[in-house]
Amino acid sequence: EAGVTQFPSHSVIEKGQTVTLRCDPISGHDNLYWYRRVMGKEIKFLLHFVKESKQDESGMPNNRFLAERTGGTYSTLKVQPAELEDSGVYFCASSLKETQYFGPGTRLLVL
Amino acid sequence: DAKTTQPPSMDCAEGRAANLPCNHSTISGNEYVYWYRQIHSQGPQYIIHGLKNNETNEMASLIITEDRKSSTLILPHATLRDTAVYYCIVRLISNFGNEKLTFGTGTRLTIIP
Repeated sequence: EAGVTQFPSHSVIEKGQTVTLRCDPISGHDNLYWYRRVMGKEIKFLLHFVKESKQDESGMPNNRFLAERTGGTYSTLKVQPAELEDSGVYFCASSLKETQYFGPGTRLLVL
Repeated sequence: DAKTTQPPSMDCAEGRAANLPCNHSTISGNEYVYWYRQIHSQGPQYIIHGLKNNETNEMASLIITEDRKSSTLILPHATLRDTAVYYCIVRLISNFGNEKLTFGTGTRLTIIP
């Protein structure tokens, strides 16, 4: 069974540009989560989808971040416009029930 | 904020059992103890979880004290590939949805050859 996949693995953009990260959860997992680790900090929760609905978006840092999960399958996280402090690793996780399984992450560098 | 306290680092000799402690003195009755690890820069990897009984799987054992205020993750025969940051997480699981994971700083476990 394929695990959680994320694309791209790395992204380097300039401040002010837009970047879109994609997450494909494990097939059949209704729950999808986004987390991120910015430099020197702990891994922090961003938001949680149940199917296509946002269950909890309390961790989204500001309105430059937009997450979608149309059709309840894959999800995208768009950062527009990107700022220097958005640099870090963005993780996606999915779960069927209680246990969350993480993808390898997307490493984002904003210059 | 994380509801757990872990030592920042530990060493363990290869082939020996690695015992990673975690304090969660404010845990409530319906909160589970989860363990994840992060090897180098990979995504966090699920290890094991439990509520109040000791648990064992192919990766590790989880020992939870009777008062549930602390727990220990045991890797029975540590290998070099077990070098990672280990996170102990207390998490509520309810019928109203799956709660987020709140990561702390974890324990950096180094397996010594």
